[in-house]
Amino acid sequence: EAGVTQFPSHSVIEKGQTVTLRCDPISGHDNLYWYRRVMGKEIKFLLHFVKESKQDESGMPNNRFLAERTGGTYSTLKVQPAELEDSGVYFCASSRSTGAGSYNEQFFGPGTRLTVL
Amino acid sequence: GDSVTQMEGPVTLSEEAFLTINCTYTATGYPSLFWYVQYPGEGLQLLLKATKADDKGSNKGFEATYRKETTSFHLEKGSVQVSDSAVYFCALSQNAGGTSYGKLTFGQGTILTVHP
Repeated sequence: EAGVTQFPSHSVIEKGQTVTLRCDPISGHDNLYWYRRVMGKEIKFLLHFVKESKQDESGMPNNRFLAERTGGTYSTLKVQPAELEDSGVYFCASSRSTGAGSYNEQFFGPGTRLTVL
Repeated sequence: GDSVTQMEGPVTLSEEAFLTINCTYTATGYPSLFWYVQYPGEGLQLLLKATKADDKGSNKGFEATYRKETTSFHLEKGSVQVSDSAVYFCALSQNAGGTSYGKLTFGQGTILTVHP
């Protein structure tokens, strides 16, 4: 079974440009999460999709960030326009949906390292 | 809001040394607690978990016990190997009605380097 994949692995852009990150979850996983780790600090939750719907987007920092999950498969995270403080590693994770009372392990991708100059 | 605090790193040990990485949390209710590990060039992997007070999670020789009275979930291993060198993250997830929310709150991570 293929794991969670993310593209690109590394992106370097200038302030004011646009960048789109992509995440392909494990096949059959309804839940998809985006997280971000900035400058060696804690990993912070950005948002959670259940299939194509946004279940929780409380962690999105501002309206320069736009996440989509068309058809409930892969997801994209667009940053427009990028600012210096957006630099960091963006992780995607996916998990199954099962019955109440069970923990659904999140499987993480390797991350995309974004550098804004 | 919920938060997780890990001991400051980096931690450098010799092979076969004893490892402790401290983790404490602040959260309402009864969260589930986790340790994730990130090996170089890879994504985070779940190392172990505990879902209620006094539970002990264990995997690959690592252990952690959910201590509600001290709000702690310290990671331990009796004898580390060079292959344990990685970044370790403590995390929690709130449970709602018995179903995990899934959203994880992480600590800042601890870099562990083990020398031969």
